[in-house]
Amino acid sequence: AQSVAQPEDQVNVAEGNPLTVKCTYSVSGNPYLFWYVQYPNRGLQFLLKYITGDNLVKGSYGFEAEFNKSQTSFHLKKPSALVSDSALYFCAVSFGMEYGNKLVFGAGTILRVKS
Amino acid sequence: EAGVTQSPTHLIKTRGQQATLRCSPISGHTSVYWYQQALGLGLQFLLWYDEGEERNRGNFPPRFSGRQFPNYSSELNVNALELEDSALYLCASSYRGEVGNTIYFGEGSWLTVV
Repeated sequence: AQSVAQPEDQVNVAEGNPLTVKCTYSVSGNPYLFWYVQYPNRGLQFLLKYITGDNLVKGSYGFEAEFNKSQTSFHLKKPSALVSDSALYFCAVSFGMEYGNKLVFGAGTILRVKS
Repeated sequence: EAGVTQSPTHLIKTRGQQATLRCSPISGHTSVYWYQQALGLGLQFLLWYDEGEERNRGNFPPRFSGRQFPNYSSELNVNALELEDSALYLCASSYRGEVGNTIYFGEGSWLTVV
């Protein structure tokens, strides 16, 4: 079954420290992986995606993510966290047209960056 | 360039009534998606329209319906509203419905059913 999991409900990190938000997926084919961020009472903003190619993907606002096929993971990372990064982060996966080209989202991870 | 726009921002309806939400995709995008974000239930896929046709539907009852117009804008209709329909409804669009194309979201429409 196609699914995506974000094992941590919340991640706390100090400003200036590196951050990691975890995502794993279950797939029966080649996944297309996405990260989105949602600020309070707002819609989702696209951060980055992995389709194919280099396992390390760079995105908006200094975020990057590493695709690991053997571990079926797509963790979001940032070398130095900012207080303004505090938000709700969603990992999503698409399994292609045969599954309706829809995005399946994880439950979300709240990131809190403290100064 | 304008992003995905949704209206209304907020809508309050009484149980049993109908709600209509509207969405304008990014210029040049032909695919429109609808998602429901209800408290405690996360983001759930509702509908996908591409080139005026419904291409896929999530696990929602038939009282959730919609359409896509020739200009690629879309509306979502929810009939016979129930209290649990209270949620943020997000519209998104992509350039065609091709796999891997980035899907961009609007700010959402808050529907409250009382």
